[in-house]
Amino acid sequence: GAGVSQSPSNKVTEKGKDVELRCDPISGHTALYWYRQSLGQGLEFLIYFQGNSAPDKSGLPSDRFSAERTGGSVSTLTIQRTQQEDSAVYLCASSFQGLSTEAFFGQGTRLTVV
Amino acid sequence: GENVEQHPSTLSVQEGDSAVIKCTYSDSASNYFPWYKQELGKGPQLIIDIRSNVGEKKDQRIAVTLNKTAKHFSLHITETQPEDSAVYFCAASKDSSYKLIFGSGTRLLVRP
Repeated sequence: GAGVSQSPSNKVTEKGKDVELRCDPISGHTALYWYRQSLGQGLEFLIYFQGNSAPDKSGLPSDRFSAERTGGSVSTLTIQRTQQEDSAVYLCASSFQGLSTEAFFGQGTRLTVV
Repeated sequence: GENVEQHPSTLSVQEGDSAVIKCTYSDSASNYFPWYKQELGKGPQLIIDIRSNVGEKKDQRIAVTLNKTAKHFSLHITETQPEDSAVYFCAASKDSSYKLIFGSGTRLLVRP
């Protein structure tokens, strides 16, 4: 596609429910990143994929968070048993070979846990 | 781990004036320093970046300077325009980790 696509753009969920956030990176980009942005805050690194493997998942805040990437393309970030503190904008980015080249961000998914 | 601090948190300038945003980083192995602009409701967009082998880079009204000894880098915007109003983020990374560590952001307001 023309850019990084994330879906849904907005998600409201009840506390305790599971959610899945999807990221479609730019075609051909081997690296994919997930970041979290809380209201008025900076970007917090969550996980990095190179192809289908995740050499760095050090930013995942708890074992309720997991992510996978299939076919070296689409990635899904899953949050189980959501909590109110999970409310944030979840941003996905992709780049051709890693951060030696420009990382392109999607529009983000705004998650609200009520 | 790497820490990136960014100042100021908010900056208001008159149209036509210059704006400067400063960042410091903690990991001396960091070698890539991008700047992102984020408009309301959108994802961050890269506006300029610099690598550790150069001290300054310019692109029209935007410039970035890097002082490796002091571990700080700055974004300079000259002849500011209202459309420059946005949140700007600095970031740092190193080849061995591939993750961008972001500063907390600067909200720039350019008054017409």
